[in-house]
Amino acid sequence: KNEVEQSPQNLTAQEGEFITINCSYSVGISALHWLQQHPGGGIVSLFMLSSGKKKHGRLIATINIQEKHSSLHITASHPRDSAVYICAVGLIASGSRLTFGEGTQLTVNP
Amino acid sequence: GAVVSQHPSRVICKSGTSVKIECRSLDFQATTMFWYRQFPKQSLMLMATSNEGSKATYEQGVEKDKFLINHASLTLSTLTVTSAHPEDSSFYICSATQGAFLNEQFFGPGTRLTVL
Repeated sequence: KNEVEQSPQNLTAQEGEFITINCSYSVGISALHWLQQHPGGGIVSLFMLSSGKKKHGRLIATINIQEKHSSLHITASHPRDSAVYICAVGLIASGSRLTFGEGTQLTVNP
Repeated sequence: GAVVSQHPSRVICKSGTSVKIECRSLDFQATTMFWYRQFPKQSLMLMATSNEGSKATYEQGVEKDKFLINHASLTLSTLTVTSAHPEDSSFYICSATQGAFLNEQFFGPGTRLTVL
């Protein structure tokens, strides 16, 4: 079993839809990251969370430490949101080293 | 936000040659830099962790003599793929952090290596 699991693996939505991507992990973590990777490959760090909720524009990230679960929400989705979204956790035993989920391929159609 | 650059963004080389990839933190001092490799349709795999002024720590299965990492300053780390082979073709990404615990990692744009 992977230490970090994301769902769904693939997600197709229509422009304007509300999108949720989930991430579950199995061990204690120091922080959880949500990353975005566009087709060209470059990675952008969206959020780093250790508790609660963060919001940036149309993106919202939440984390429930007790349930070992995080969600990334995109409101009013747009075709430019199409990308791979990756959940990565910093394990308590690993310092800054991150363990990555498999990623969620999001396609938003106009 | 903090910016990490990589150079080159894309490189094509012949089998047997060596390729150097640079990772720079442009507006902060990176005490730790990480090197990742990503094959198509797969997630990032950590290759090594490098701290300024000390030897890199390699992940299991990564050959340290093949993937030479130098972190000579707080703003620059280099990855040299020695005697490259077609199976080394991949997307190499670095990230940098200012500290050890609970510090955000900033990712570079990546380098696409193709070995012919």
